[in-house]
Amino acid sequence: QVQLVQSGAEVKKPGASVKISCKASGYTFTNYYMHWVRQAPGQGLEWMGIINPSGGSTSYAQKFQGRVTMTRDTSTTTVYMELSSLRSEDTAVYYCARPKTVDTAHDAFDIWGQGTMVTVSS
Amino acid sequence: DIQMTQSPSSLSASVGDRVTITCRASQTISTYLNWYQQKPGKAPKLLISATSSLQSGVPSRFSGSRSGTDLTLTIGSLQPEDFGTYYCQQYYSIPFTFGPGTTVEIK
Repeated sequence: QVQLVQSGAEVKKPGASVKISCKASGYTFTNYYMHWVRQAPGQGLEWMGIINPSGGSTSYAQKFQGRVTMTRDTSTTTVYMELSSLRSEDTAVYYCARPKTVDTAHDAFDIWGQGTMVTVSS
Repeated sequence: DIQMTQSPSSLSASVGDRVTITCRASQTISTYLNWYQQKPGKAPKLLISATSSLQSGVPSRFSGSRSGTDLTLTIGSLQPEDFGTYYCQQYYSIPFTFGPGTTVEIK
């Protein structure tokens, strides 16, 4: 079945970087964009950016420009999201999410990873 | 960026009640609007896409509609399992912003 499996929880110190993985299975990896969304404790959902696994092109929310890097490895059908210069406000659950339709970013997210908790604390 | 607002921010209703949640965008988004349900500790679940298209497997008591600038999620007859937080999301333009959420509690 179609699923996204994310890497485990992380604890990082302020100023460090974190790299989260999202392994896709059950579908043709390069046919679907992948989004990243985060949720701080008790807060709402925040869209971070998107990667096209086919060519590797990316688009990031301005808030994260310069701090976020999304990459993919087609050989392992895995996308990665790296966030640098971490601060306490980056403490959140990070989700990867796949759109419903092939070859488009502009669609609803029908498949979600289970989420990865990142805690930033000194 | 397109800003999304939702009302109410929370509600408490009884089983069998009709529940309506409204979402508004700061600029036109046409029908590029999705609704998600999230339960504590879980990833969001897609309920409705493109304003009114019910996702496969989602009960028919959920429906979506648009009237002018108001986009609405309706639960026709609230069930105990419908508790959680509901988010709207526009996908008209990047960044694909979410509303702040509406928490639904069962009385």
